Amino acid sequence: TQLLEQSPQFLSIQEGENLTVYCNSSSVFSSLQWYRQEPGEGPVLLVTVVTGGEVKKLKRLTFQFGDARKDSSLHITAAQTGDTGLYLCSKAAGNKLTFGGGTRVLVKP
Amino acid sequence: NAGVTQTPKFQVLKTGQSMTLQCAQDMNHEYMSWYRQDPGMGLRLIHYSVGAGITDQGEVPNGYNVSRSTTEDFPLRLLSAAPSQTSVYFCASSRGPGVGFYEQYFGPGTRLTVT
Repeated sequence: TQLLEQSPQFLSIQEGENLTVYCNSSSVFSSLQWYRQEPGEGPVLLVTVVTGGEVKKLKRLTFQFGDARKDSSLHITAAQTGDTGLYLCSKAAGNKLTFGGGTRVLVKP
Repeated sequence: NAGVTQTPKFQVLKTGQSMTLQCAQDMNHEYMSWYRQDPGMGLRLIHYSVGAGITDQGEVPNGYNVSRSTTEDFPLRLLSAAPSQTSVYFCASSRGPGVGFYEQYFGPGTRLTVT
């Protein structure tokens, strides 16, 4: 059972376009992490969001944590081909760190 | 620093064979975990450890054993391989409960095929 639901599952856009991916849970979480995974490699941490309503920016990536701390979004402005990858969100449930199913993003030149 | 290392990178097994996937980290992290990733899916937790001598089950532990005799190493054993265990396996580590607990560092993965 997925504790975290990510949507959409797949997104294909042209270089220069914007995109948003979502991560939702039925329960409140104390913090949430976003990772990016490129083909043939392990996931790499992008950001941790902790406070309800928090917004963090990482160059062209904007991460938002919902006010109720049950959801989060990742927005990419002016996507580049290097943004292609699988975007995963993760949260802790006790000592277990669990992941959503991921959103596969393809940015075409 | 090597970070998290995994060996082998690729492995093919026949049904019923056993093997051990190796994982080591040089960051003195307390928390280590194993995940499997199947096509089109995220990561599913197999086993995890909060420190040397302590292990616990994740979401999908059946068919796998782990031990944690040192802080650095966390091997994953497949007892009797089955085709359903064909997957990519990732090992990860983090600082452990407290600051940095949630921020995991991943190894490069082991691609396992069971025929």
